[in-house]
Amino acid sequence: NAGVTQTPKFQVLKTGQSMTLQCAQDMNHEYMSWYRQDPGMGLRLIHYSVGAGITDQGEVPNGYNVSRSTTEDFPLRLLSAAPSQTSVYFCASSRNQGFGDSYEQYFGPGTRLTVT
Amino acid sequence: KQEVTQIPAALSVPEGENLVLNCSFTDSAIYNLQWFRQDPGKGLTSLLLIQSSQREQTSGRLNASLDKSSGRSTLYIAASQPGDSATYLCAVISRGSTLGRLYFGRGTQLTVWP
Repeated sequence: NAGVTQTPKFQVLKTGQSMTLQCAQDMNHEYMSWYRQDPGMGLRLIHYSVGAGITDQGEVPNGYNVSRSTTEDFPLRLLSAAPSQTSVYFCASSRNQGFGDSYEQYFGPGTRLTVT
Repeated sequence: KQEVTQIPAALSVPEGENLVLNCSFTDSAIYNLQWFRQDPGKGLTSLLLIQSSQREQTSGRLNASLDKSSGRSTLYIAASQPGDSATYLCAVISRGSTLGRLYFGRGTQLTVWP
């Protein structure tokens, strides 16, 4: 198993550009999520999905879109990049997080994004 | 809102010492608590998951305990090695919050020197 994979590892964008961060997992996990990690802020949830076709917002969703057309893939789209979106982005997955369920979450290696 | 605090923020010890890293959380209504390791410039590696009904979990030289009523968890590292140098993060999933959302502490940066 490759686990959770993310591409690209590094990216530099200019303000206003758009791009898609890719995330894939091969563990047949229903639950997938995106976090951003910033110095002094810790990790914050952007969007999450409990299965193909189902997505919802997390703590900091503005400026980001997601879709989930397959169980394996959960791409994160930056619509119009801003310097405030400079961060490290992590994708995570687990078995389904139903209320009362409690499953281990697995993280990808991250994408380091700089917006100039 | 759930808040997770980790003490100390940084720790530097000689090889061979036994260590205790502390994590506290403000809302005891949690589903689970998970400890992660993060190496510089890398992703998060899951170390241990403790369900809310459990008191501790062990993996090799690592032992994590959970006292839900007092809102505390400790990660015990036995016989530390230079390869243990990393940032250790604890995170909880709170009942009643966004589905599956992990609330993270800021981490303890551990350096083990030979």
